[in-house]
Amino acid sequence: QQQVKQSPQSLIVQKGGISIINCAYENTAFDYFPWYQQFPGKGPALLIAIRPDVSEKKEGRFTISFNKSAKQFSLHIMDSQPGDSATYFCAASKGGGSNYKLTFGKGTLLTVNP
Amino acid sequence: EADIYQTPRYLVIGTGKKITLECSQTMGHDKMYWYQQDPGMELHLIHYSYGVNSTEKGDLSSESTVSRIRTEHFPLTLESARPSHTSQYLCASSGGSLGSSYEQYFGPGTRLTVT
Repeated sequence: QQQVKQSPQSLIVQKGGISIINCAYENTAFDYFPWYQQFPGKGPALLIAIRPDVSEKKEGRFTISFNKSAKQFSLHIMDSQPGDSATYFCAASKGGGSNYKLTFGKGTLLTVNP
Repeated sequence: EADIYQTPRYLVIGTGKKITLECSQTMGHDKMYWYQQDPGMELHLIHYSYGVNSTEKGDLSSESTVSRIRTEHFPLTLESARPSHTSQYLCASSGGSLGSSYEQYFGPGTRLTVT
């Protein structure tokens, strides 16, 4: 049973466009939702994260929208650039005690055409 | 910038050999993790540790073992490598007195090929 479902599997966007990647989760105990960016041959890098007590978080061109009732969250990349071409992973975890383990989505390969 | 190191970056080894993948972090994080990732695919947690002498198996069953004798060091060992172990292995860490336990920082990974 996949606890975090991510879509689409791949996405092609023109330079300057908006990239949108969606994730849905099942476990209501999750309380931390990060997005990671991974370039080929590199480890994932933490991009932006949100807690369920807010509906939106923005950092530069990257925005997370969070819908607690629908158990969904999404990453929006504004003014997408060729340098944004990478694989993006959403994840979720629950804290407290001995938790904090991350459950990842399957990833989205983003290609931004110049 | 996260200071977490993995060696070797690439390893090609024959079946039956014993291997140890090294992971070290200089951030004082108390929590460390090992993930397995096939190219372009999702990450699967195979081991984690919440402190010295604490190790647990992750969500994906693995024939590898880990140890945590020092806070900064979390090596992974395969006693007898098989072609099915071919994958990328990623180490991560979080927490400590200055960091958030939620924010995991990843090393560059070790790409293992077993022939």
